[in-house]
Amino acid sequence: GESVGLHLPTLSVQEGDNSIINCAYSNSASDYFIWYKQESGKGPQFIIDIRSNMDKRQGQRVTVLLNKTVKHLSLQIAATQPGDSAVYFCAENASGGYQKVTFGIGTKLQVIP
Amino acid sequence: GAVVSQHPSWVICKSGTSVKIECRSLDFQATTMFWYRQFPKQSLMLMATSNEGSKATYEQGVEKDKFLINHASLTLSTLTVTSAHPEDSSFYICSAYSPGQGASTEAFFGQGTRLTVV
Repeated sequence: GESVGLHLPTLSVQEGDNSIINCAYSNSASDYFIWYKQESGKGPQFIIDIRSNMDKRQGQRVTVLLNKTVKHLSLQIAATQPGDSAVYFCAENASGGYQKVTFGIGTKLQVIP
Repeated sequence: GAVVSQHPSWVICKSGTSVKIECRSLDFQATTMFWYRQFPKQSLMLMATSNEGSKATYEQGVEKDKFLINHASLTLSTLTVTSAHPEDSSFYICSAYSPGQGASTEAFFGQGTRLTVV
C-alpha cells in the first residue's frame, strides 16, 4: 500500500542551530500532512499541519514546507533546544477523514548541548 | 486543551491471559477513537478505528477476534488483547477526535500503554 517514509533516521544538531527533518510521501492523493513529536515512552504530540493547497506554514519556531511536485515534506526547527530531542514523525491523510493518518518511519533528533 | 488518558500506562501479563487497555477523553466527547501499535524504534501502525456505538473497523492484517475494541460511550474506548503472547508485547496508543475540538482536523493522542507479555 501507499506509505510515508523519511530520508534520515537520526539527525544530530548543535544546540542553537536550525534543524531540518525531511519526509517523502508516495500517495499523490494525500491532501493533509502533520508533523508529530514523540518523546520516549509517550504518545505523539501535534506540532504543525499543512494542507495540500499550501506550500508553507509557520508556527512558533517551526516551519513546514510542502513540495507536491516531488512529494516532499520538511519540518524546520529554528534555534534547536535540548527539549526538542525526540522522534519526529510526518503523517499523511488521503481519506478525507482528517484524523485517520498514516505515519512515516520517524527521525530521531539529537540535540548536542 | 483536549486531554486523552490511557490506563494503565504499563502492564505485564502472563502468556495466554487477556489485558484490557482504556482510552478516555477527559474533557471532550470523542466521536471517533483510533488504536495504534508501535514496536520499538518503529512507527505507529493503525490497528482499528472505533466509532461510538458501532463496530470497530480493523485495518488489514489485524485480527479482530484477538484485539477486541469497544467504544460504548463518547468518552471511553477499550482495547482488549485476548490470549496475549510475547509477540503482542508493544506500545499501544489511542487517539481521539471530535469535530470542533482544537483544530478541526486534529486528533489527540493518549500517553500510550506499554504491554509486556511474559
